[in-house]
Amino acid sequence: DSGVTQTPKHLITATGQRVTLRCSPRSGDLSVYWYQQSLDQGLQFLIQYYNGEERAKGNILERFSAQQFPDLHSELNLSSLELGDSALYFCASSVRTGGGYTFGSGTRLTVV
Amino acid sequence: QQQVKQSPQSLIVQKGGISIINCAYENTAFDYFPWYQQFPGKGPALLIAIRPDVSEKKEGRFTISFNKSAKQFSLHIMDSQPGDSATYFCAATNAGGTSYGKLTFGQGTILTVHP
Repeated sequence: DSGVTQTPKHLITATGQRVTLRCSPRSGDLSVYWYQQSLDQGLQFLIQYYNGEERAKGNILERFSAQQFPDLHSELNLSSLELGDSALYFCASSVRTGGGYTFGSGTRLTVV
Repeated sequence: QQQVKQSPQSLIVQKGGISIINCAYENTAFDYFPWYQQFPGKGPALLIAIRPDVSEKKEGRFTISFNKSAKQFSLHIMDSQPGDSATYFCAATNAGGTSYGKLTFGQGTILTVHP
């Protein structure tokens, strides 16, 4: 157990729907990062939060949004889902910005 | 300029052999280079990392070699074991810069160690 908890582990949903992925960082970690992993694109950075504030954005689609709450857990919201959104979504956390960080086990999203 | 290129895509090694995975980067602002190991169904796990002020770092059977002038770094796995079979990712970031720790990953190398 890495200490980073992601729920749910698996999610199957239909095109056009909206889902929310949840991440609880390791105790004491203030930074949360979201990554998308697909076979053809590898690990792609989506967005980072530090102590509740958005710090960096990658190639995150406008249909996707995220937030970090006062208790430091984070949620990634994916809406108007398309088949191409099927992927593994990982959350990672670190004590501060930068350096190595710890990944959760991911949420496997399948859009049908 | 943000790319990290990793090779080979896949690697087959006999037990006891040396596994070598190479990465090259373009962004000279990168100052932290971690390697991650990922098993099927799991998230990537930090294996070993290096900063550009040293040319080599060793932890057990795992060694990172770093060539700043060539903008290349590599992972060597000595005495490779079947349990090392996994996907390995190199990554890079500017830990103290405006990228705020965003990691740029290589495409990954699938390592298979035959018994």
